[in-house]
Amino acid sequence: GAVVSQHPSWVICKSGTSVKIECRSLDFQATTMFWYRQFPKQSLMLMATSNEGSKATYEQGVEKDKFLINHASLTLSTLTVTSAHPEDSSFYICSATRQSNSYEQYFGPGTRLTVT
Amino acid sequence: KNEVEQSPQNLTAQEGEFITINCSYSVGISALHWLQQHPGGGIVSLFMLSSGKKKHGRLIATINIQEKHSSLHITASHPRDSAVYICAVSKGGSEKLVFGKGTKLTVNP
Repeated sequence: GAVVSQHPSWVICKSGTSVKIECRSLDFQATTMFWYRQFPKQSLMLMATSNEGSKATYEQGVEKDKFLINHASLTLSTLTVTSAHPEDSSFYICSATRQSNSYEQYFGPGTRLTVT
Repeated sequence: KNEVEQSPQNLTAQEGEFITINCSYSVGISALHWLQQHPGGGIVSLFMLSSGKKKHGRLIATINIQEKHSSLHITASHPRDSAVYICAVSKGGSEKLVFGKGTKLTVNP
């Protein structure tokens, strides 16, 4: 159990457009979801922490108006990259925990975004 | 200095060799995680531990809380073990993870 999916797995968009990435917990209710980005040959960087029904908490340096996070249900969180630019091209990964104060995170397969 | 340091950064081995990847951390933690990232990018959680030792198949993870050090061992390594192995810690009661930079392992047949 504890499967997390992401959609799409890859997306190419034009500069200035917006892209929505979905993160779903398939067989459990996720109390918390995390959004990460990863540049080539670098480690993951936490962007924001998302709890169902409340506003996401963004890490320092992450623009909340550019990276809109919505956590509408216990199984779905979305990340929308607004007015995308080439420098937003990256690998975006979500993860989820399935109970409060649990340290174990279940990772999605990631979404590769390319902005042209 | 990074709060989580891994060594080596890159590791090449021959099939069958015993592999060790090390992780040191400088903060108080609630748990330490070993993650595996394959070239496609997906991440699999291998272990979460807060003390002692865990074993799963050919993989063994150990942690020494006093020394703030953990090791991941792979016995009888195989080319399919080729991946990036990432050490991460849950820092002092937080669910957030702090990541090491990863160790790229290549196992040649």
